[in-house]
Amino acid sequence: EAGVVQSPRYKIIEKKQPVAFWCNPISGHNTLYWYRQNLGQGPELLIRYENEEAVDDSQLPKDRFSAERLKGVDSTLKIQPAELGDSAVYLCASGTGGNYNEQFFGPGTRLTVL
Amino acid sequence: DQQVKQNSPSLSVQEGRISILNCDYTNSMFDYFLWYKKYPAEGPTFLISISSIKDKNEDGRFTVFLNKSAKHLSLHIVPSQPGDSAVYFCAASGGTYKYIFGTGTRLKVLA
Repeated sequence: EAGVVQSPRYKIIEKKQPVAFWCNPISGHNTLYWYRQNLGQGPELLIRYENEEAVDDSQLPKDRFSAERLKGVDSTLKIQPAELGDSAVYLCASGTGGNYNEQFFGPGTRLTVL
Repeated sequence: DQQVKQNSPSLSVQEGRISILNCDYTNSMFDYFLWYKKYPAEGPTFLISISSIKDKNEDGRFTVFLNKSAKHLSLHIVPSQPGDSAVYFCAASGGTYKYIFGTGTRLKVLA
């Protein structure tokens, strides 16, 4: 079974530039999560999708971050414009939904903003 | 406010010995706890979980203990192997899908 796929794996950009991350969840997983992991910290949830609906985006900084999951499968997370403090690893996870269910993580995209 | 705390950023253990990783939490509403393992350049992978109705859950070499009165859980790895060297995150949930992660403990198992 293929795992969660993310691309790119690494991205270096100048501040104020836009950047986008892509995630393909495990086949059949209707729930998709985007997390941000700062250096030395644990992952923090940014947004959660049930199919194509964003059911929890309370932690997403909406002034510069946006996300979409148009067909309920792949998802894109965008930052525009990027700031120095956005340097982090952005993790995508998927699952079958519900509480107490395992979340399967992708390898992440390491973003460096210069 | 860090609701889930892993106060030891790193731990070194000899191969074959026991590794004990600790985690404390502050929110009494948490009722489900998980441990994830993370290798460099990979995403976290699920290791073991425990519900608040239990005080112990075992899976092979891995055992998680939960002390609700102390708001403390620990992961025991016996015997430790070099392949166990990784960063271990504990996470907690309060009846929802939302997991709150600790800051991680880097375990190094010495051959």
